[in-house]
Amino acid sequence: AQSVTQLGSHVSVSEGALVLLRCNYSSSVPPYLFWYVQYPNQGLQLLLKYTTGATLVKGINGFEAEFKKSETSFHLTKPSAHMSDAAEYFCAVSETGAQKLVFGQGTRLTINP
Amino acid sequence: GAGVSQSPSNKVTEKGKDVELRCDPISGHTALYWYRQSLGQGLEFLIYFQGNSAPDKSGLPSDRFSAERTGGSVSTLTIQRTQQEDSAVYLCASSTRQGTNGYTFGSGTRLTVV
Repeated sequence: AQSVTQLGSHVSVSEGALVLLRCNYSSSVPPYLFWYVQYPNQGLQLLLKYTTGATLVKGINGFEAEFKKSETSFHLTKPSAHMSDAAEYFCAVSETGAQKLVFGQGTRLTINP
Repeated sequence: GAGVSQSPSNKVTEKGKDVELRCDPISGHTALYWYRQSLGQGLEFLIYFQGNSAPDKSGLPSDRFSAERTGGSVSTLTIQRTQQEDSAVYLCASSTRQGTNGYTFGSGTRLTVV
């Protein structure tokens, strides 16, 4: 069965600092991996995804993530945090050929001025 | 439509009453999903529809919960005899058949059972 672990339910960084949100997954087959962002009182918005091909994927708002099979990780990074990045971030996994996404518990990102 | 539409956006109901939540997916998306988001609980899968196939109901927490999808488009999630623990945000999402582009989510219905 698939599962997702997001390390750190809350992460706080200063404006302009590096953002690193950690995600580890378990899957018995090659996974599809996703990061979503949720702003207050809104639904989830897709940030980026990995399905096949290049393991470093770039998404919207300057975020990127790298699929590392050997570490079963898909950490999300952004070089320089902006106040508008404050939100909750969810990592999700699905098995190749399946469609049901399994989500992590989410990480709330706070940006300090 | 341009996005996934959910209604109502907020619903307050008395314990024991039935509620219906509606989801209108993106036109052409064959797959539709319901998730529940409770405070501190992440996103909990409820049910998944794919075209004309039998739905995957494995996430429904009890027989008080049911869902249907009419004509392969609009879906209704029904909760009978609501309980206070049903209070949550109910999110609907849709995707293409392959699902490799991820889901598009609606803004959710915030259900409060008093």
